Amino acid sequence: DAGITQSPRYKITETGRQVTLMCHQTWSHSYMFWYRQDLGHGLRLIYYSAAADITDKGEVPDGYVVSRSKTENFPLTLESATRSQTSVYFCASSGGQGAHEQYFGPGTRLTVT
Amino acid sequence: GENVEQHPSTLSVQEGDSAVIKCTYSDSASNYFPWYKQELGKRPQLIIDIRSNVGEKKDQRIAVTLNKTAKHFSLHITETQPEDSAVYFCAASPDSWGKLQFGAGTQVVVTP
Repeated sequence: DAGITQSPRYKITETGRQVTLMCHQTWSHSYMFWYRQDLGHGLRLIYYSAAADITDKGEVPDGYVVSRSKTENFPLTLESATRSQTSVYFCASSGGQGAHEQYFGPGTRLTVT
Repeated sequence: GENVEQHPSTLSVQEGDSAVIKCTYSDSASNYFPWYKQELGKRPQLIIDIRSNVGEKKDQRIAVTLNKTAKHFSLHITETQPEDSAVYFCAASPDSWGKLQFGAGTQVVVTP
């Protein structure tokens, strides 16, 4: 699990500000994912990526932007933060093509005031 | 898209008893079904998974069963211990990207 890290672990920001959450993995996994976790909703997929420069939308992509210029990094940007984006954000990675085990990072708790 | 329903939402069991959590999925193309355990304030941890070509899989005190025809799968925990207390999530993966659709979770409380 030490192979996938997220930063910051905690963040408080104001409505309207841009925020970037970082995710870094050392396994050279091809696939990476961003989820948000809210009470009553479980884990919902925001964006995912199959390789560098290949990304696609998940279930709840509105208000978020991703990029993946390097295999090991998958940053998530909230372009103009809203209170509804207050959540715990988890990054995950997976090594193989197709359905494979996903390993989660420690999470970032984001509060938008 | 895929929809996963999970029951019950909360489960209280006596230490030593068994716990069963059930999930149903909607997309018959789903071929991978993992289960995650999440302790309070921690990340989800994969505890067991099953693929669509297998009906049952065991790992010590935990087992997962899959019924493709009925589109449901279950997690069984035997001889429960206090450290089994956590939230458990089922998930289904319907495509080659490995995207996961999660159930809403089950809070399991094991009382001594």
